[in-house]
This record gives sequence, structure tokens and C-alpha cells, in this order.
Amino acid sequence: AQSVTQLGSHVSVSEGALVLLRCNYSSSVPPYLFWYVQYPNQGLQLLLKYTSAATLVKGINGFEAEFKKSETSFHLTKPSAHMSDAAEYFCAVSDGVRSQGNLIFGKGTKLSVKP
Amino acid sequence: NAGVTQTPKFRILKIGQSMTLQCAQDMNHNYMYWYRQDPGMGLKLIYYSVGAGITDKGEVPNGYNVSRSTTEDFPLRLELAAPSQTSVYFCASRDSSTDTQYFGPGTRLTVL
Repeated sequence: AQSVTQLGSHVSVSEGALVLLRCNYSSSVPPYLFWYVQYPNQGLQLLLKYTSAATLVKGINGFEAEFKKSETSFHLTKPSAHMSDAAEYFCAVSDGVRSQGNLIFGKGTKLSVKP
Repeated sequence: NAGVTQTPKFRILKIGQSMTLQCAQDMNHNYMYWYRQDPGMGLKLIYYSVGAGITDKGEVPNGYNVSRSTTEDFPLRLELAAPSQTSVYFCASRDSSTDTQYFGPGTRLTVL
């Protein structure tokens, strides 16, 4: 069975500081990994995904994530936080077509950005 | 392209009432999904469909039903609403060529 653990339900950073949101996964097969962002009262939007190509994945809005198989991690980073990055971020895992593309989500991390 | 649309945006139901949450997509995706989101719990899969006429249960299907008569539409039915079904419901469709799910704006449901 697959699962996702996001460390920290709330993360607060200052504007301009590094953003690091942690995600660890469990999967018995090579996983597909995703980061989604949810702004208040909106649906989820894909930030980036890893589907067995390059291990360092770049996404929208300056975010990137690195797939580390040895650590079963897929942490999300951004070098310099902006006020507009305040949102909730979800890590998700899929085993691709084997599960009809079904996603297993983590519980989410709410990012606050202080001026 | 409207993408994934959901109606209504908000709804309050009394215990025991029934309702249908509507979901439509105009991207010709075969795969569609219904999730519920509860605070601090992430998203849980209720039902999914791999094409018109084919549906299957997800992680939390009890109390819900779905149908898929067309590629575009994937309604979710609550037959006897219970307070435990108070949640935000998201519909999504998946582009299988890029393995990307696209989400609707959600329906906030309160059962009193």
C-alpha cells in the first residue's frame, strides 16, 4: 500500500527566506510523485510532478523538488518566499496506471509568509 | 476551455435529505475522480471512473453513489445526508498522457 507523510502541518517563513516543505512516501513500486497547491477557497493546482524521468523537478512559481529514492523523500523547495506563496501544499503519490492514476494525498502543510 | 466545473458552490442540507453534486469537464478525459477534503486530513478518494459506464469505489465510498453516462459528466449522489458528510468535495479529471489531474473549484457541503 502507498502512503504519504508530510512533516509539519504549519510552516512559517519570512518573505525572501528559503521555503522547505517535507514529504516522505511509502510505495512498493516505483512511484509517481506530485505537489499540489491550494489557495484559500480554491481547488488544487499542480505545482510539479516526478514520473521517473529527471530526479530534480522544476515546477511553476519557482518551486522545485528532488526525488531521493534512498530517503523515500520528495521535498519541495523555493529559494526565496513571496507573500503570494501563502497557501496549503499537498504531496501525493500514485503508482501510475497500475492504480488507474489514483492519488494518495498527504494531510497538507499550510505555509505562512511573514512580511 | 472551462476545465472542470462543479455546481453548486455551497449547499446546506438537513439530515436525511438527498442531493446530487454535479461535475463536468470539457477536456475529453476518460478518468474522473471525486474526493472529499476535511480539515487537517488531506483529500480522500470517494469514487472514480475510467470511462463512460465504468465506475469503482475509492477509499471512502460509504453513503455515496456515482454514475458516468457520458465522458463529460460525473455526478456524485448523497442519498441520506449525515453530519459526517459535512466536507468540501472536489471533482477532478486526469489527462492520462501527462498523468496530471485537474481539479474543480469544489462544493462546500454542510449537513445539519
